[in-house]
Amino acid sequence: DAKTTQPPSMDCAEGRAANLPCNHSTISGNEYVYWYRQIHSQGPQYIIHGLKNNETNEMASLIITEDRKSSTLILPHATLRDTAVYYCIVRAVQGAQKLVFGQGTRLTINP
Amino acid sequence: DTGVSQNPRHKITKRGQNVTFRCDPISEHNRLYWYRQTLGQGPEFLTYFQNEAQLEKSRLLSDRFSAERPKGSFSTLEIQRTEQGDSAMYLCASSFPEPGAFFGQGTRLTVV
Repeated sequence: DAKTTQPPSMDCAEGRAANLPCNHSTISGNEYVYWYRQIHSQGPQYIIHGLKNNETNEMASLIITEDRKSSTLILPHATLRDTAVYYCIVRAVQGAQKLVFGQGTRLTINP
Repeated sequence: DTGVSQNPRHKITKRGQNVTFRCDPISEHNRLYWYRQTLGQGPEFLTYFQNEAQLEKSRLLSDRFSAERPKGSFSTLEIQRTEQGDSAMYLCASSFPEPGAFFGQGTRLTVV
């Protein structure tokens, strides 16, 4: 699976949009971009995934660049409960089934 | 459906003892994964089951580690002759397979 690069930490004010970047310059054509988050002392939680089109669900939006070498997870109105480590993972749906987690981005939402 | 359940939540054991953890996946999920997470690191993949078949094992899974998933339902992870380096959070996840994997709360192991 391709490697991803994320900033180690970010801060965001409560109520503002949190934009978390991820670089995946070696992504293959059959690999999806997945985002998970891990709130302290809990297991990781699936947020969203996409292949090449932008995606939106009740939790977040995922913007993938046209060349697919980077993406941005957007939390439109961050709350204190969004404070967590956010992991960007690229993975082929077929073949290897495991998720390869990096260090992620520690997002702190400030009141 | 109460999600992925892991037991126990916490386990303290003496070095050299054997421990066993249990994972009950979401009932209709046929894929089950085990991960290990140490402080400050992302989860590391250990092994993966599709139904009762163990399809992939990480090199991290030494001979002291064994996982089973009888009848494709719950799974157990056993660590024999525990070492202090085995202290970690052990996470179980299940999926059907998409859109994503659902993780349990984990079992925190402390080897003293």
